[in-house]
Amino acid sequence: AQSVTQPDIHITVSEGASLELRCNYSYGATPYLFWYVQSPGQGLQLLLKYFSGDTLVQGIKGFEAEFKRSQSSFNLRKPSVHWSDAAEYFCAVAPASGGSYIPTFGRGTSLIVHP
Amino acid sequence: DAGVIQSPRHEVTEMGQEVTLRCKPISGHNSLFWYRQTMMRGLELLIYFNNNVPIDDSGMPEDRFSAKMPNASFSTLKIQPSEPRDSAVYFCASSPRTGALYEQYFGPGTRLTVT
Repeated sequence: AQSVTQPDIHITVSEGASLELRCNYSYGATPYLFWYVQSPGQGLQLLLKYFSGDTLVQGIKGFEAEFKRSQSSFNLRKPSVHWSDAAEYFCAVAPASGGSYIPTFGRGTSLIVHP
Repeated sequence: DAGVIQSPRHEVTEMGQEVTLRCKPISGHNSLFWYRQTMMRGLELLIYFNNNVPIDDSGMPEDRFSAKMPNASFSTLKIQPSEPRDSAVYFCASSPRTGALYEQYFGPGTRLTVT
């Protein structure tokens, strides 16, 4: 079964600083990979997704993520964080074939942005 | 366009009472999901429907939980009897395409507290 690990429960950055949120997955083959964001009091919103091809994918709100097969990682990055980016971020994995493509979510990383 | 609508947004009930959570998916979406989110267990898929038919309910914790989708625009998640350990945020999500169930649109959630 696939699984996702987000090693950081909380990350604190200053507004304007760069951001990297870590995600590692465990799966027998290359899965589909996703990042979701959950703003306070809201449901999850899909930020970006990776299926195949270019290992650097662009998402909404200025976020990007890079797939590294050798490290089984799919880290989320943003060059300059805004106060409105404070939220919970979830990495997710889904089987790339023979499945329903329903994602399995990580435990989440809470992003705190200092002014 | 209206997103996924959930009601109530907050529910406080006493142990042993019946609780019914409601969800209206986005019009035209043919898949619907119920999730539970807790600090201890993260985001868990409880059940999902495709074209109003339950496809996978393996995540439903026990017989006290039941879910129905009588038509394409309405679903309920019922807990009877409720217990304090059921306290969580319950999310409903819908997806527009059977072949892309990772593309989910979440409602704002129902925060359930069982005392």
